[in-house]
Amino acid sequence: KAGVTQTPRYLIKTRGQQVTLSCSPISGHRSVSWYQQTPGQGLQFLFEYFSETQRNKGNFPGRFSGRQFSNSRSEMNVSTLELGDSALYLCASSSGAGEGGEQFFGPGTRLTVL
Amino acid sequence: GQSLEQPSEVTAVEGAIVQINCTYQTSGFYGLSWYQQHDGGAPTFLSYNALDGLEETGRFSSFLSRSDSYGYLLLQELQMKDSASYFCAATSGTYKYIFGTGTRLKVLA
Repeated sequence: KAGVTQTPRYLIKTRGQQVTLSCSPISGHRSVSWYQQTPGQGLQFLFEYFSETQRNKGNFPGRFSGRQFSNSRSEMNVSTLELGDSALYLCASSSGAGEGGEQFFGPGTRLTVL
Repeated sequence: GQSLEQPSEVTAVEGAIVQINCTYQTSGFYGLSWYQQHDGGAPTFLSYNALDGLEETGRFSSFLSRSDSYGYLLLQELQMKDSASYFCAATSGTYKYIFGTGTRLKVLA
């Protein structure tokens, strides 16, 4: 079974631009969660999607948004990029059938904002 | 606010036993997970506790006390490959995951 894939793996943008990141979950998984990882803050929860619906979200500004498609693939978008948005963005998939439990993480997208 | 606290760094020698503690403050707590992340790699799932008590998976065990808002990960027979960062994560509310800032484990030969 193929794992979680994320594209692109690396991205360099400048302040003010916007960016879209993509995540393909493990086949059969309907839940996709997104995280931002920085050295000082650890992993911070952005949002979680299940069957094309956002079920929960973390404490990030509205510049961070996401969506999920009918095939469970998910995208997240960050508009008006700021230097502080430089981070590793991870997505994780799970069956979504219950609370908690195992999530499978992708390799992440390393975003650098100049 | 919602937070999880764990030590920033732990050092131990090969073959030893190490315990990584995690205390949490979250609303709507469902359970506690543990993840391992090697440098440059993605987090990988180790264990999940929804009920009080000890869960054992090979060399790794995880414990949860809901009344104390406390859990720990126990690693036995440490190996060099166990050098990594370890994160506890609470499921808070419905489908919302709060991660600790991670504990960097160094295993010395």
